Amino acid sequence: EAGVTQFPSHSVIEKGQTVTLRCDPISGHDNLYWYRRVMGKEIKFLLHFVKESKQDESGMPNNRFLAERTGGTYSTLKVQPAELEDSGVYFCASSQGLAGNQETQYFGPGTRLLVL
Amino acid sequence: AQTVTQSQPEMSVQEAETVTLSCTYDTSESNYYLFWYKQPPSRQMILVIRQEAYKQQNATENRFSVNFQKAAKSFSLKISDSQLGDTAMYFCAFYNQGGKLIFGQGTELSVKP
Repeated sequence: EAGVTQFPSHSVIEKGQTVTLRCDPISGHDNLYWYRRVMGKEIKFLLHFVKESKQDESGMPNNRFLAERTGGTYSTLKVQPAELEDSGVYFCASSQGLAGNQETQYFGPGTRLLVL
Repeated sequence: AQTVTQSQPEMSVQEAETVTLSCTYDTSESNYYLFWYKQPPSRQMILVIRQEAYKQQNATENRFSVNFQKAAKSFSLKISDSQLGDTAMYFCAFYNQGGKLIFGQGTELSVKP
């Protein structure tokens, strides 16, 4: 069974540009999460999808961040325009739905974003 | 609000020895889950072990075990017979019915030959 995948693995962009990160969860997982780790700090929650619906987006820093999950499958996280403080590692995770083990989240390898 | 604290930013251990990583948390919930994840250098974060708060028995997974003290809100990870491949950043995390994981700051463990 394929794990959570993320694309790209690395992205270097200039301040003011746009970047779109993609996450493909484990097949059949209803829950999809985005987290971010800024250099040297703890991993922080950004938002949570249940299928195609946003369940909780309380961790989104500001309106420069837009997340979507088309058809309840893969998800994208767009940062527009990017700022220096957006640099960090963006993790995606997925877990089963209500009928399964929804507590255990499986993580992707992360996308390392550097904004210059 | 829930918080998770890992007070040891860095630790080291000799190969084959035992090491314990500390984690404390704060919550008013009674039903929750606790996890330890590890992230080896330049590699994917993987689940090491999980503990349900309603279970009194400490979870174990091969060389990894936890000491879960619910009243003290403590959740330490013990790694026995440390191996070079255990070198990684270890994160303690809390989960309740709200859905999101709340992470500690991480402990960077180095296993030395």
